[in-house]
Amino acid sequence: AQSVTQLGSHVSVSEGALVLLRCNYSSSVPPYLFWYVQYPNQGLQLLLKYTTGATLVKGINGFEAEFKKSETSFHLTKPSAHMSDAAEYFCAVGGTGRRALTFGSGTRLQVQP
Amino acid sequence: EAGVTQFPSHSVIEKGQTVTLRCDPISGHDNLYWYRRVMGKEIKFLLHFVKESKQDESGMPNNRFLAERTGGTYSTLKVQPAELEDSGVYFCASSQGGGLAGRSSYNEQFFGPGTRLTVL
Repeated sequence: AQSVTQLGSHVSVSEGALVLLRCNYSSSVPPYLFWYVQYPNQGLQLLLKYTTGATLVKGINGFEAEFKKSETSFHLTKPSAHMSDAAEYFCAVGGTGRRALTFGSGTRLQVQP
Repeated sequence: EAGVTQFPSHSVIEKGQTVTLRCDPISGHDNLYWYRRVMGKEIKFLLHFVKESKQDESGMPNNRFLAERTGGTYSTLKVQPAELEDSGVYFCASSQGGGLAGRSSYNEQFFGPGTRLTVL
């Protein structure tokens, strides 16, 4: 069985500040890990993913995440927030192949000017 | 190339009525998934098609929900009769074919914009 916990349903940062969105997972098998973003009135867009190899993965729009097996975490970071980063972010865990994803409850990021 | 599309974008119906949601996956994608997000909760898996066959329907909440994928192209999800707790956003996703076993066979899921269903 797999599960995902996202700490903080709402996060507010100032423009230019560090963005840190937390994700912890539980998985009985080596996981695939994902971050998706949903902008208003749009579908889910893949930000980045970890499947194997390097534990620090870089995604689009300057985001990155680090897989820490010992902490069962996959936190999402961005050094400097931009107004356009305001959206809802979802962490997800998947198994092998084409199995369905298990999502966290989402974190809404607000960026203050 | 067109992405995953869903119709309608919004639907407002009364309790007891029937609603049919449609998903058109990316052309050539064998895998089609339905997910649902109830207000403020996590996005939950409903079911997974491989071509026209149901691979996994363990997430379907009850027998008021019926999903089909005739011909292995688009899919419909019918809710009959709708209840208040069915309100939420229904997402569809698709991915290319691939095996279930082996870490090398991961296929990215591409999501549609969702259908927001409101049952009054």
